[in-house]
Amino acid sequence: DVKVTQSSRYLVKRTGEKVFLECVQDMDHENMFWYRQDPGLGLRLIYFSYDVKMKEKGDIPEGYSVSREKKERFSLILESASTNQTSMYLCASSLGLAGVRGETQYFGPGTRLLVL
Amino acid sequence: TQLLEQSPQFLSIQEGENLTVYCNSSSVFSSLQWYRQEPGEGPVLLVTVVTGGEVKKLKRLTFQFGDARKDSSLHITAAQPGDTGLYLCAGRFLRAGTYKYIFGTGTRLKVLA
Repeated sequence: DVKVTQSSRYLVKRTGEKVFLECVQDMDHENMFWYRQDPGLGLRLIYFSYDVKMKEKGDIPEGYSVSREKKERFSLILESASTNQTSMYLCASSLGLAGVRGETQYFGPGTRLLVL
Repeated sequence: TQLLEQSPQFLSIQEGENLTVYCNSSSVFSSLQWYRQEPGEGPVLLVTVVTGGEVKKLKRLTFQFGDARKDSSLHITAAQPGDTGLYLCAGRFLRAGTYKYIFGTGTRLKVLA
């Protein structure tokens, strides 16, 4: 079974703090993704990576950066956390392209971040 | 602008009732997937549909892709408390020469025993 793990289930941070969210997958997947999930908005893509040291902006990259130094690990960084970044953050990985020949993204359990 | 709108946003029903959840767009999708997300977990894929008019069944769940591939529905027969969760559609479509994959707004279902 594919396993995607996220470093924390819950985080509480202060405005202005630097925040690191870590994600690790154990299936040698090429592609990794970071989403934020907010009620009524579904999942919105922040950044994705299709190879080590490669990254692409998603739909809402502002205020975030990412790092992928190893294939299995994809980190999301909030350089200076703000209250509007309070959200659920979901990491996902996939071998191929989601939606092509039934390929899916495999998700971690999420990190609920509260910025005070 | 949200390209995949789901309705209803919330649904609370009694065990044994039937329900339908909708996923609509003005864009044409090359494929559409449905996920279920349970509390404290990430979304898990239920089904993929790729052909206009396609119908797939997964036990008491019936998924349909619209003929024009712009919409989809999920019908649950005789809902059970174990069906409780957030249902998300997600689709792959072509925009400005590049394929994108996006998620819908979600339908939160609660089935009461």
